[in-house]
Amino acid sequence: DAGVIQSPRHEVTEMGQEVTLRCKPISGHDYLFWYRQTMMRGLELLIYFNNNVPIDDSGMPEDRFSAKMPNASFSTLKIQPSEPRDSAVYFCASSFLQGANYGYTFGSGTRLTVV
Amino acid sequence: DQQVKQNSPSLSVQEGRISILNCDYTNSMFDYFLWYKKYPAEGPTFLISISSIKDKNEDGRFTVFLNKSAKHLSLHIVPSQPGDSAVYFCAARNYNTDKLIFGTGTRLQVFP
Repeated sequence: DAGVIQSPRHEVTEMGQEVTLRCKPISGHDYLFWYRQTMMRGLELLIYFNNNVPIDDSGMPEDRFSAKMPNASFSTLKIQPSEPRDSAVYFCASSFLQGANYGYTFGSGTRLTVV
Repeated sequence: DQQVKQNSPSLSVQEGRISILNCDYTNSMFDYFLWYKKYPAEGPTFLISISSIKDKNEDGRFTVFLNKSAKHLSLHIVPSQPGDSAVYFCAARNYNTDKLIFGTGTRLQVFP
């Protein structure tokens, strides 16, 4: 298995533009998580899905952020409109069951820069 | 409100010595604690975990200690190697919400 695959690896966009981040979880994993990494707050959980259904989106910063999981092998995180304070590294992770004792498998992340 | 705290942003250790990374938490509803390691331009990778019913878990050079009364856990790496240089994240699972909460990370540098 190729692991969790995220695209793009880097994204530079202008303020106000729409940004879409993509994630392909590991086949057979039924949980998918979106995290954001910043220096000040570390890794913050934005939203997570179980069997393609959003379970908890309380970490999504505001209405400009939305996430979907149309099927078991694909998820998107969209920011519209983007702002400079959204600049961060966004990670997708997947796990089998909740994985607390197994851990989550993370993708390599998308580094987003909004100018 | 940071429920999982790593108060040392960085740590520098000589090769062969012990590295001790610390983590404090505030929520009594955590039932599992985990450590992740992250290299630049890569995602975090799972390193070791411990259940809240235990006080120690060992895996090769890595040992995690849990002190529930102090709400403190630590990761010991013995002996430290240059390849251990990375950012280490402490994480805790809330058994009510099933969420994994991460700390802000500690950058470990192991020098020859």
